[in-house]
Amino acid sequence: DQQVKQNSPSLSVQEGRISILNCDYTNSMFDYFLWYKKYPAEGPTFLISISSIKDKNEDGRFTVFLNKSAKHLSLHIVPSQPGDSAVYFCAASALGAGNNRKLIWGLGTSLAVNP
Amino acid sequence: EPEVTQTPSHQVTQMGQEVILRCVPISNHLYFYWYRQILGQKVEFLVSFYNNEISEKSEIFDDQFSVERPDGSNFTLKIRSTKLEDSAMYFCASSYYSGGGYEQYFGPGTRLTVT
Repeated sequence: DQQVKQNSPSLSVQEGRISILNCDYTNSMFDYFLWYKKYPAEGPTFLISISSIKDKNEDGRFTVFLNKSAKHLSLHIVPSQPGDSAVYFCAASALGAGNNRKLIWGLGTSLAVNP
Repeated sequence: EPEVTQTPSHQVTQMGQEVILRCVPISNHLYFYWYRQILGQKVEFLVSFYNNEISEKSEIFDDQFSVERPDGSNFTLKIRSTKLEDSAMYFCASSYYSGGGYEQYFGPGTRLTVT
C-alpha cells in the first residue's frame, strides 16, 4: 500500500542553501497534508501542514507547496541549518469514521545539512 | 508547552505475555491515536479513539489489541499475547481539531521488544 511516497531516502545540502523534500500521493480523498520531523529515539514533531484548498503555506523558513493535479507536495527549507538534519516524514489524511483523521505516512527522507 | 508523554520508554517482554503501553495525551485534546513503526518500515496507523470509543482500527489491530481511556487522562494500548512481530516503536498521538487544523502531536514512543 503506497498511498504516500517519498522517493528520496536521503538528501544532503550545504548550510544556507535550500532543501527541497518531495512527496507524492495516490489517494484523491486526501485533503490535508502534514510534514513531520523526527530525530532518532524521539517521536515525530509536527512541522507544517496544508489543506487541499490551498497551494502554499509558509511558516518561517518552512514552506509547503501542494500541486493537487499532480498529487504532489514539497517542503522547502530556506536557509537550511545544521539543526535541520533529521528524518522528514510526509503524511496525509482524509476525514474518516467518527471524524477521525488517521495519518498515512511516507517512508521518510533523511536530510543532512552540512556546515 | 503541553506535550504527549508515554511510558515506559522501553519494554522487553517474552512472547505470549501481556503488555500495557501508557500515554498521557495533551489535556484539552479530544482525538487519540496509536501508531507503530517496525524498524525500517513506515509508520502505521493502529487505532483512533474519540468520545470513549474506537472510531477506526486498522487490520493490524486484531483481537489481541485493545485500548482504554480509564480515567480521563491516560490512554492505554494493551497487547494480550505478544508475538515476535509486535516488536516495534509504538507512538501515541492526540489532536484537538480546532480552526481547521488537523495536526496530531506525538509522544516520544515506547520501544517494545518481544523475545
